[in-house]
Amino acid sequence: SAVISQKPSRDICQRGTSLTIQCQVDSQVTMMFWYRQQPGQSLTLIATANQGSEATYESGFVIDKFPISRPNLTFSTLTVSNMSPEDSSIYLCSVDRTGERAFFGQGTRLTVV
Amino acid sequence: GQQLNQSPQSMFIQEGEDVSMNCTSSSIFNTWLWYKQEPGEGPVLLIALYKAGELTSNGRLTAQFGITRKDSFLNISASIPSDVGIYFCAGQFTNTGNQFYFGTGTSLTVIP
Repeated sequence: SAVISQKPSRDICQRGTSLTIQCQVDSQVTMMFWYRQQPGQSLTLIATANQGSEATYESGFVIDKFPISRPNLTFSTLTVSNMSPEDSSIYLCSVDRTGERAFFGQGTRLTVV
Repeated sequence: GQQLNQSPQSMFIQEGEDVSMNCTSSSIFNTWLWYKQEPGEGPVLLIALYKAGELTSNGRLTAQFGITRKDSFLNISASIPSDVGIYFCAGQFTNTGNQFYFGTGTSLTVIP
């Protein structure tokens, strides 16, 4: 199975600040995905992180608020910018590849105060 | 985004009982997946389905890919306390390499 590590696992941040979440995969994958899970809710796709090109954002999510980097085939970052309490959620990265389906990291639990 | 509706929203059952939950979509998917999420953890994949009508088992879990490709079902037989968690369905338009859209979740509580 793919091993996905996310850092930090949790954080408490002041409103107006930014937090960068890292996702490291133990082997190369073409596509990585970032999801948000608000308290008691399902997972919502934020964007697809493409290596070598800009991320593809879902409706309702914009690059200025959630800039994403994908410098190589094993690593991606998601930044939550200018945070407000409404950004308090679990943020998860996921990978999908032939033969190994749809694995998730353990998530980053973010609380904005 | 895509809307996937799961039912029931929550279930409280006695240990040993069987469980059934389903997921419906307004879109046709080529892949259906079922996940379980426990508190403080990311979702863990339980079963993946790739063809309409496919029936796949994983231990006490059985899932089916609906004929219309707009729905899927998950059954858990002889439930045990460690089955507690939130179960999510997810749909994917292609068989690999694309994003998943998640259902609203079914929260399962098993009473010993």
